[in-house]
Amino acid sequence: EAGVAQSPRYKIIEKRQSVAFWCNPISGHATLYWYQQILGQGPKLLIQFQNNGVVDDSQLPKDRFSAERLKGVDSTLKIQPAKLEDSAVYLCASSLGGQTLQETQYFGPGTRLLVL
Amino acid sequence: AQSVTQPDIHITVSEGASLELRCNYSYGATPYLFWYVQSPGQGLQLLLKYFSGDTLVQGIKGFEAEFKRSQSSFNLRKPSVHWSDAAEYFCAVGARAGTALIFGKGTTLSVSS
Repeated sequence: EAGVAQSPRYKIIEKRQSVAFWCNPISGHATLYWYQQILGQGPKLLIQFQNNGVVDDSQLPKDRFSAERLKGVDSTLKIQPAKLEDSAVYLCASSLGGQTLQETQYFGPGTRLLVL
Repeated sequence: AQSVTQPDIHITVSEGASLELRCNYSYGATPYLFWYVQSPGQGLQLLLKYFSGDTLVQGIKGFEAEFKRSQSSFNLRKPSVHWSDAAEYFCAVGARAGTALIFGKGTTLSVSS
C-alpha cells in the first residue's frame, strides 16, 4: 500500500514570496490533515479536511495561509506572502475517517520550507 | 485544554540498555494516546496507541507503553535499545478517534556504543 505522498521535499524562498505544497493521501482515506512542525517543536495542526470539507481550521493563519481539497483526494497548502517564521516542516497526514477505535493518522515525509 | 509534556529534551542510552521516555498529558476525559517516532528527514511513524482496555500496550519494534490514569502518564519503554532506535520520539493526545492530535515537543534519543 502506498503511503502519503508530499512534494516538494524541500523549498527555499525569499520572504514575501508565495509557495505551495501538495499532498496525496493514502487511497480511500477520507480525512486529511496539514501540520506545521517548527524546529524543536512537535507538529501543530493547521487544518483538517473530511472529504472536501473543512473540519477544523482554527489554527490556520488565514491572512496568509490557504488550503484546499477540491475533489476530496489530494490537497494543496499555500502560503502567500511567506514570512521568516514560516520556516518549518509541513507534514500531511491522512486517516480513514471512520472515527473508529482503529483510526490512525499516517504521515507523509513532509516538505521542509526555508524562508530567507 | 489538552496538552502534552515530554520532560526530557534529549536522552542518551547505551546500546543494549533499557529505555524509558516520559510523557504526561492534560485532558479531562480518557484520552486517545499515541507514540510516534521520527527519523531525520522522515515523517512520523506510529509506534503504538492506547484507546481503552489493557493499560499496557505493545507496539512495533519492541516498544511498549503503560497508561497510568492516576499519574496522567503514558511512558514509552523498551527493554534493550538498538543503535537504529536513535531518533526523535513524540507523544500525542487526541480527544477522540478522528480528531487532530496534540503533540509534545519530543525527546531526542541518542544511542551510544
